[in-house]
Amino acid sequence: QKEVEQDPGPLSVPEGAIVSLNCTYSNSAFQYFMWYRQYSRKGPELLMYTYSSGNKEDGRFTAQVDKSSKYISLFIRDSQPSDSATYLCALTAGNKLTFGGGTRVLVKP
Amino acid sequence: EAQVTQNPRYLITVTGKKLTVTCSQNMNHEYMSWYRQDPGLGLRQIYYSMNVEVTDKGDVPEGYKVSRKEKRNFPLILESPSPNQTSLYFCASSRSLDRVVYGYTFGSGTRLTVV
Repeated sequence: QKEVEQDPGPLSVPEGAIVSLNCTYSNSAFQYFMWYRQYSRKGPELLMYTYSSGNKEDGRFTAQVDKSSKYISLFIRDSQPSDSATYLCALTAGNKLTFGGGTRVLVKP
Repeated sequence: EAQVTQNPRYLITVTGKKLTVTCSQNMNHEYMSWYRQDPGLGLRQIYYSMNVEVTDKGDVPEGYKVSRKEKRNFPLILESPSPNQTSLYFCASSRSLDRVVYGYTFGSGTRLTVV
């Protein structure tokens, strides 16, 4: 079993819809929780990071962490075609960063 | 502009011919790392460095070498490349706090093909 599980998708939504992404993990030692966006042939770009359970909002993005359930989520409101990308969760335990496999998202105009 | 710069962006080489992929960051980050990304396998860490002259193996270090002589540079060396090292490579640097790493910045990637 992988330490971090993420549905590969693809997840297809119409423009303006809410995109809901999530990851589950098994290691209680993870301290920081991050979401990255990766466009084709580009490096991953950090969207958000948090270290506590609860919600964190940044513009159209909301990151949610539930440490008791070992579950993290990313919500994208009012999705745009430019949000079409692969989204990766990443979790840190000390100096070790572990990525989920990524979910491919397609926002259709 | 804060960034991680990798070179080259694309490289085609032959089996056994030594090559170096350079990586440089201008954010004064202590932590640097190399990843490879392959379809179906995701991002896998090759090597990382917590500071100058401090390097350690990641999950897939076989066939690779690194060095960290200066804080800003972290080159990846393939002494004898093989076709199974054909991949997309990313260098990344990060802030750290109390030895906890967070806030990775990635380079644009190097697509390596070994024939």
